[in-house]
Amino acid sequence: EKVMTQSPATLSVSPGERATLSCRASQSVGSNLAWYQQKPGQAPRLLIYGASTRATGIPARFSGSGSGTEFTLTISSLQSEDFAVYYCQQYNNLWTFGQGTKVEIK
Amino acid sequence: EVQLVESGGGWVQPGGSLRLSCAASGFTFSNYNMNWVRQAPGKGLEWLSYISLASGNIYYADSVKGRFTISRDNAKNSLYLQMDSLRAEDTAVYYCARNDLHFFSMDVWGKGTTVTVSS
Repeated sequence: EKVMTQSPATLSVSPGERATLSCRASQSVGSNLAWYQQKPGQAPRLLIYGASTRATGIPARFSGSGSGTEFTLTISSLQSEDFAVYYCQQYNNLWTFGQGTKVEIK
Repeated sequence: EVQLVESGGGWVQPGGSLRLSCAASGFTFSNYNMNWVRQAPGKGLEWLSYISLASGNIYYADSVKGRFTISRDNAKNSLYLQMDSLRAEDTAVYYCARNDLHFFSMDVWGKGTTVTVSS
């Protein structure tokens, strides 16, 4: 089973600042990596697939990078609506989610 | 509008059974692979099960293998999850989610249905 580890668990950021979230896979997943955003009481929302491709309607301030075992989600300038929990997910071999990173207001 | 709507959640005693449904609309359901994902209270997301277009390929997470059964009815645009031998740790919000047409990420999600397993 591929284990996905996200860091940090919580990220405190001021509005307008950059946020960098990390995701590490226990084995290579190639580029088969997605990022999701989840707000309280809502379903997850796909942000990034293929490690770096933004999903339909996702603002350009969200970007993904990496391949193999190391991945990064960057939010270039945090807006108020971006404070949420972010999950990475590998789909190289079945599906596994990371434990999530909560982005909170500093 | 592309939409997935789950139903069938509720309260059940340990050892009991429940059948969840997911109604799809706004897209050609038979063209898409589908999944069930759950989220225990205050916890992260856990993938549970996958079913391919014509039900030819089915996979389960180890945590539910042998207890849960995924199925679909393309004529009714519906996805199902039969849950047997339920345990307290199965308490969660259950989401159905569509796989992207060309990738295996999950591009459309329902709002979820809540299952509570308790005596």
